[in-house]
Order: sequence, then structure tokens, then C-alpha cells
Amino acid sequence: DAGVTQSPTHLIKTRGQQVTLRCSPKSGHDTVSWYQQALGQGPQFIFQYYEEEERQRGNFPDRFSGHQFPNYSSELNVNALWLGDSALYLCASSPGPNTEAFFGQGTRLTVV
Amino acid sequence: AQTVTQSQPEMSVQEAETVTLSCTYDTSESDYYLFWYKQPPSRQMILVIRQEAYKQQNATENRFSVNFQKAAKSFSLKISDSQLGDAAMYFCAYKKEYGNKLVFGAGTILRVKS
Repeated sequence: DAGVTQSPTHLIKTRGQQVTLRCSPKSGHDTVSWYQQALGQGPQFIFQYYEEEERQRGNFPDRFSGHQFPNYSSELNVNALWLGDSALYLCASSPGPNTEAFFGQGTRLTVV
Repeated sequence: AQTVTQSQPEMSVQEAETVTLSCTYDTSESDYYLFWYKQPPSRQMILVIRQEAYKQQNATENRFSVNFQKAAKSFSLKISDSQLGDAAMYFCAYKKEYGNKLVFGAGTILRVKS
């Protein structure tokens, strides 16, 4: 049983560019959440998707947007990248919007 | 808003000995969940142990146990018989009863000496 998978594992982008990160949830999970983890800090909640809709959102600007597909996979899009967006982006899936999360290995984004 | 505080940026323990990691949190909710996650260099967050706030009994998972003090809003993790593989960043996290948004602390780096 594959766990939560994220792609790519690493990428480098230039300031002002746009990036899309992808997440496939664990089998049987229909809820996906995204977190941003800056170096040396704890993860910060970005948003949660359930039934293809954004259900909860953390304190992140509109440059951060997402999508959930009918197969429950999800994308995180970040527009107009800043240097401060450099971080590990973690995806977590769960078998419902009120249950505990299982994390992927993350995507390391570096903005130069 | 809920907050989680880990006051120990780094801890060290000798192999086979016991170490306790501290966590305090702030919430006005009466029902919630608390977690300890481990993040090794591989980056993946691994759930170590969870505690439901309505349960008075402290959770235990093999060598890992918690001391949950609801009135004091304290949730410490005890690792017994420490092993080299326990070396990692440990995060304390809070979740409301409904929803699955996690609020994390800043983490504690645990080093295990052989």
C-alpha cells in the first residue's frame, strides 16, 4: 500500500515564477492538507481540501492556491514566488476531514 | 487561536537511557487531540503517539509514553531505552476535535549518543 506520495522531491525556481506541487493521498484517503515548513521551524498549515473544495485555510496569501481532483489527488500552486517561499512543503492525507493525518516526504522548494 | 510551545530547542541522551521532551499548549477548547511526531532527516513526519483530551489515562506506545496534564496544558513525551534510531526532530502538535488542521510547535532536536 503506497503511502502519501509527493512530486517533485526537489525543485529550484526564480523569484516571480510560479510553481505547482503535487500530492497523491494514501489509498482510501479523501482529504488532503498542505503545510509549509521553513528551515528549523514547525510546519504551518496552508489549507485543506475535501470533496474537491477548500475547507480550511491558514494565514497564507492568495498567491497560494490549490486544487483537488476527483481521484483525491491534489495540487498546490504558488504564484509570484518570493525568496521567503523557500521551504519544505508537506502534504498530508486522511480518511476524512476530522481524522488524523499521514504525511508524505515533502517537496523542497528553493527560490533564488 | 491555539498555540503550541516547545521550550527545548535541543536535547541529548545517552543510548539506553531515558529522556523527556516538553510541550505546552494553549486552547480554550475542552475536547481536542495532542500528538508527537518524529521527523528524521528523511523529512517524513511519522506519528509517534496521540492523546485524546477526554482520556485521563496517559497514552503509551512501546518505549514512548506521555505525561498529559490537562489543567496545566502540558504534554510531555518520555522515551525510554533510547536508541540511535530515535535521533530526529520531534514536534508536538494540537488538533481540534473536529477538522484535521494541526498546529505544531517549533520542534526539539533529539541527539542520541552511543
